[in-house]
Amino acid sequence: AQSVAQPEDQVNVAEGNPLTVKCTYSVSGNPYLFWYVQYPNRGLQFLLKYITGDNLVKGSYGFEAEFNKSQTSFHLKKPSALVSDSALYFCAVSPRNTGGFKTIFGAGTRLFVKA
Amino acid sequence: AAGVIQSPRHLIKEKRETATLKCYPIPRHDTVYWYQQGPGQDPQFLISFYEKMQSDKGSIPDRFSAQQFSDYHSELNMSSLELGDSALYFCASSWTSGGDEQFFGPGTRLTVL
Repeated sequence: AQSVAQPEDQVNVAEGNPLTVKCTYSVSGNPYLFWYVQYPNRGLQFLLKYITGDNLVKGSYGFEAEFNKSQTSFHLKKPSALVSDSALYFCAVSPRNTGGFKTIFGAGTRLFVKA
Repeated sequence: AAGVIQSPRHLIKEKRETATLKCYPIPRHDTVYWYQQGPGQDPQFLISFYEKMQSDKGSIPDRFSAQQFSDYHSELNMSSLELGDSALYFCASSWTSGGDEQFFGPGTRLTVL
């Protein structure tokens, strides 16, 4: 079965410190990979995506993610966390054999950045 | 910039009633997706449409149906509502697919009493 795993329900980090939110997936082929962020009572907002090419992709608000094919991982990173980064982060995967029409989301990781 | 519009934003229904949720995608986006998000849960893919045709189907109950109209707006019809249908329903749109990111609407919060 296809799945996306975010092993940490919550990540706590101090402001100014680097942060990592982990994501691994079990999807055949080379899926499209995404990160979305959700603030309370809001819809999801796109952060970044990996389609092909360089394994390190840069996105909105200083976030970046590293694709590792052998480990089927797509971890979200930021060199210096801000309090305003506190939110719910979702990793998402779209199998290429569905034309990208189907998206599987991870369970989400809540990020707390402490001042 | 125009965003995805969903209506209504809040809806309260009784068990066994029907509900219709509407979604207006970003102009020129031709793909629409519907998701259900329960409290504290990740969004569950329900169904998607590309150029007014169903493109993929997820965990959508048989009591639910959806369609995309000629103006690209989409409606999710929910019948015989159950308490467990209470959730936040998101619509998203994208310019085709194939790796294009989705733009999410603010959601419709459905409460079934």
